[in-house]
Amino acid sequence: GAVVSQHPSWVICKSGTSVKIECRSLDFQATTMFWYRQFPKQSLMLMATSNEGSKATYEQGVEKDKFLINHASLTLSTLTVTSAHPEDSSFYICSAITSGRATDTQYFGPGTRLTVL
Amino acid sequence: GESVGLHLPTLSVQEGDNSIINCAYSNSASDYFIWYKQESGKGPQFIIDIRSNMDKRQGQRVTVLLNKTVKHLSLQIAATQPGDSAVYFCAENNAGNMLTFGGGTRLMVKP
Repeated sequence: GAVVSQHPSWVICKSGTSVKIECRSLDFQATTMFWYRQFPKQSLMLMATSNEGSKATYEQGVEKDKFLINHASLTLSTLTVTSAHPEDSSFYICSAITSGRATDTQYFGPGTRLTVL
Repeated sequence: GESVGLHLPTLSVQEGDNSIINCAYSNSASDYFIWYKQESGKGPQFIIDIRSNMDKRQGQRVTVLLNKTVKHLSLQIAATQPGDSAVYFCAENNAGNMLTFGGGTRLMVKP
């Protein structure tokens, strides 16, 4: 089956630093990747949609200058949380789809837990 | 805005019993629905999906029912096992492959 990995799985950083999270599709090419954020005991909230070679589309309320997304290849998308603050502490999850058909299954990564001190 | 939501935040069942997790959606234009299982500290895992032209779909020990009239989705797990303990999310596939997730139901299986 399709496997999506994330790195790192857990990161702790000081307030004001920037953190980069990688999302990779290991055995397929992902035309589109999605980034979600999940706070404790809450559901997943879509942050942005990332298409290879183009700018990401951000959901309302998500600051594009704070959450930088780069999708430089068909197997890698990165999310950089710039100048992280404690309120950015969350579980960040990416997903990927292949062909872009309307009913493609999204394969999720294992998530990255970000803790900002 | 339109949303997907769940009736029960926590469901506790005895091992071996059947579990039913419910989900209500409000976007009548949605035509594709997915159930995901999420274990603690992990990403969501695909369980089963259903398109709007169907009202029932079965997998291994799982069945999804779709009632478009009342905009209701359910996940049935047969012979629930301890390994089924997790949070279950229904998701609605919007235009452009965007998923809108419900609030989640925690399933607790008692041995």
